[in-house]
Amino acid sequence: KQEVTQIPAALSVPEGENLVLNCSFTDSAIYNLQWFRQDPGKGLTSLLLIQSSQREQTSGRLNASLDKSSGRSTLYIAASQPGDSATYLCAPGMDSSYKLIFGSGTRLLVRP
Amino acid sequence: NAGVTQTPKFRILKIGQSMTLQCAQDMNHNYMYWYRQDPGMGLKLIYYSVGAGITDKGEVPNGYNVSRSTTEDFPLRLELAAPSQTSVYFCASSSEETQYFGPGTRLLVL
Repeated sequence: KQEVTQIPAALSVPEGENLVLNCSFTDSAIYNLQWFRQDPGKGLTSLLLIQSSQREQTSGRLNASLDKSSGRSTLYIAASQPGDSATYLCAPGMDSSYKLIFGSGTRLLVRP
Repeated sequence: NAGVTQTPKFRILKIGQSMTLQCAQDMNHNYMYWYRQDPGMGLKLIYYSVGAGITDKGEVPNGYNVSRSTTEDFPLRLELAAPSQTSVYFCASSSEETQYFGPGTRLLVL
């Protein structure tokens, strides 16, 4: 059974810092891995999707890496801004149905 | 494109009542999913569908039922509501890999 752990559970940083969010998963037989952002009381917004054959994906100030064999992914946020404050969720996609198994998330606060 | 829509936004149910949470998507996606999110936790998969007429159980299917008679709609049925079903319910759809989520339905069972 796939289990996903995200560390840290919460993070508070001053504006402008670069930061790394960590995700680990127990079953390396994944199809892909997605990173999502969730604002309080809102739905999820997909940030990045990494195919199982890829090592990383970049979008603007965000960079996600994947090491499938060791069961790890990281989300790197450069030059953080207060608008980045949200909960970030990691979710490996399992089998051809692409169903996702979620971690509990990292709650990020970027202080002005 | 409205994307993924969910109704209602919020509902209070009494223990033992039943209700259907509606989900619709206008992106012609084959894959649709229902998740629940308890406070401070990640999402857990309830049911999913890979196309009209095909559904399958996820991690936490007990107490729920689904149907998929059309590509667009994927309703979630709660029979005999219990306090443990108090949660926020999210519907999602995808064409292949990236999943798009609806705004959620907040359900309170008292």
